[in-house]
Amino acid sequence: NAGVMQNPRHLVRRRGQEARLRCSPMKGHSHVYWYRQLPEEGLKFMVYLQKENIIDESGMPKERFSAEFPKEGPSILRIQQVVRGDSAAYFCASSLDRGRNEQYFGPGTRLTVT
Amino acid sequence: DAKTTQPPSMDCAEGRAANLPCNHSTISGNEYVYWYRQIHSQGPQYIIHGLKNNETNEMASLIITEDRKSSTLILPHATLRDTAVYYCIVRESTSGTYKYIFGTGTRLKVLA
Repeated sequence: NAGVMQNPRHLVRRRGQEARLRCSPMKGHSHVYWYRQLPEEGLKFMVYLQKENIIDESGMPKERFSAEFPKEGPSILRIQQVVRGDSAAYFCASSLDRGRNEQYFGPGTRLTVT
Repeated sequence: DAKTTQPPSMDCAEGRAANLPCNHSTISGNEYVYWYRQIHSQGPQYIIHGLKNNETNEMASLIITEDRKSSTLILPHATLRDTAVYYCIVRESTSGTYKYIFGTGTRLKVLA
């Protein structure tokens, strides 16, 4: 049973470009969470999505960041007009249910903004 | 803010038990305690979780005090591969979301 998949694993963007990060949850999981980790810090929650719905986006920056989880296909975290401060590791996690079920994390996408 | 407090670092001799403490004095009655670890910069790996009873699986044991204000993760026979940052998380359950609020974790170093 494949785990959570994220791609690309590494992404380099110049300031002002767009970054698209993809996350395919574990098979059968319909709940997706995105977290961001700055160097030498813990993970910070960004957004929680269910299929076609954003449930909690309290951790998302108000501008330039958006997320979706369509009926078909992976979840996408989109960052428009990237700045150097967006450089970080972005992790996606999925769970079977939003109740007691644990979240399983992907390997992350490391975004570098030059 | 994270609801948990952990020591920033610990050392453990290879083959000995590693006991990682966590304080969560403001935990609510229906909130679970989860433990994850992050090796180098990989994605966090699930270890174990519990509500009020002690739990054990193939990786570790979780001891939760009777008042639920603290817990201890036990790795019974630590190996060099257990060197990692260990996060104790009390999962938020407000407004129907179950996001994790990560603290700074404990950096465990297993020594040969």
